[in-house]
Amino acid sequence: GAGVSQSPRYKVAKRGQDVALRCDPISGHVSLFWYQQALGQGPEFLTYFQNEAQLDKSGLPSDRFFAERPEGSVSTLKIQRTQQEDSAVYLCASSLGQPNQPQHFGDGTRLSIL
Amino acid sequence: AQSVTQPDIHITVSEGASLELRCNYSYGATPYLFWYVQSPGQGLQLLLKYFSGDTLVQGIKGFEAEFKRSQSSFNLRKPSVHWSDAAEYFCAVAPFGNEKLTFGTGTRLTIIP
Repeated sequence: GAGVSQSPRYKVAKRGQDVALRCDPISGHVSLFWYQQALGQGPEFLTYFQNEAQLDKSGLPSDRFFAERPEGSVSTLKIQRTQQEDSAVYLCASSLGQPNQPQHFGDGTRLSIL
Repeated sequence: AQSVTQPDIHITVSEGASLELRCNYSYGATPYLFWYVQSPGQGLQLLLKYFSGDTLVQGIKGFEAEFKRSQSSFNLRKPSVHWSDAAEYFCAVAPFGNEKLTFGTGTRLTIIP
């Protein structure tokens, strides 16, 4: 009965380093979303998967951001050559993918770029 | 493009008092509407959702929200708040229930004894 699990909970990286953030969705959930939440702001959409297909990546802020979900379950959000403005909480959500099924969120990964 | 406005950045209420958090949306049709709550260091927990039907929606923890199409609003209410309700509250919309959410900037709720 586990919920959405994200790891690590906290990540500190130096500017220019690459980071990888992991999301384990609820078992059986076909839809998976990534959001970025800056300090004091609401979450903003990054990208969306249905099973292994990335159907929408319109929210990714630059080509340094890359997400994958190769087997339709676990997803990884990768940020290359990190910059200070990448500091934020990254939230993952999953859903059953039906119109009347809401998204369930993980606790997020807090990324700090020094 | 759809958007959500939460006009109140911070609200303080006394424990036991009633609460109303405002949410206005902009969208060409009736969207799917949600309220989420976020405690410090936590993810977002769904309080309630509106898809269709009865415009007064009941949620968890004693919260309710009313959809008013004429005012493009989906305000959250609770008749009597508890200290544990202190948190950040986000209103969100989606064109369909299983699509990407657009969030407001949130309302921080403080409860005083």
